[in-house]
Amino acid sequence: AQKITQTQPGMFVQEKEAVTLDCTYDTSDQSYGLFWYKQPSSGEMIFLIYQGSYDEQNATEGRYSLNFQKARKSANLVISASQLGDSAMYFCAMRELHSGYSTLTFGKGTMLLVSP
Amino acid sequence: NAGVTQTPKFQVLKTGQSMTLQCAQDMNHEYMSWYRQDPGMGLRLIHYSVGAGITDQGEVPNGYNVSRSTTEDFPLRLLSAAPSQTSVYFCASRPGDTGELFFGEGSRLTVL
Repeated sequence: AQKITQTQPGMFVQEKEAVTLDCTYDTSDQSYGLFWYKQPSSGEMIFLIYQGSYDEQNATEGRYSLNFQKARKSANLVISASQLGDSAMYFCAMRELHSGYSTLTFGKGTMLLVSP
Repeated sequence: NAGVTQTPKFQVLKTGQSMTLQCAQDMNHEYMSWYRQDPGMGLRLIHYSVGAGITDQGEVPNGYNVSRSTTEDFPLRLLSAAPSQTSVYFCASRPGDTGELFFGEGSRLTVL
């Protein structure tokens, strides 16, 4: 079973609109972390935002916010006021224990296209 | 700081050849890892290391070897390349047990 599920292979949004990228996760750990990374067409992996499982408030970083719903095991990324430069692949990832050490498991990604 | 440096950036191999993907970081990070990225599959963990002399397998370790003799370096070895190992490989590190991963620029490997 997938541990990280991103159900939207592709999303389209117009410039200046907000967009939500979905992410659900599966873990039995009490302590875990959720990350979002951006991969533009140039290929590098860019860290966007982090949410810890014990964090009571949703994480925010500039135009990025993480809508964390622990009971539903979802960690959706919200991008406000989309820009053309936001066009990229977005990956949700979860940190959990593996053989006693923390590793990061990634979802399959969502391709976001921002149109003028 | 250079961060995480991967070499080579591109490589073409024939089936059965061996090669090593190099990864070096200058941030004194204890944790280092290798992922492969295939279309529609996201990033999958191959091997990771939590410090010099300590390595462990990830989700897709078959066909790959690693070692960690220094904090800075974490090479990934393909002993006998197969077409199924055609992929983009990312090395990543982080300072401790938590926190975000810092990625290299990736290495595109094609096995014919």
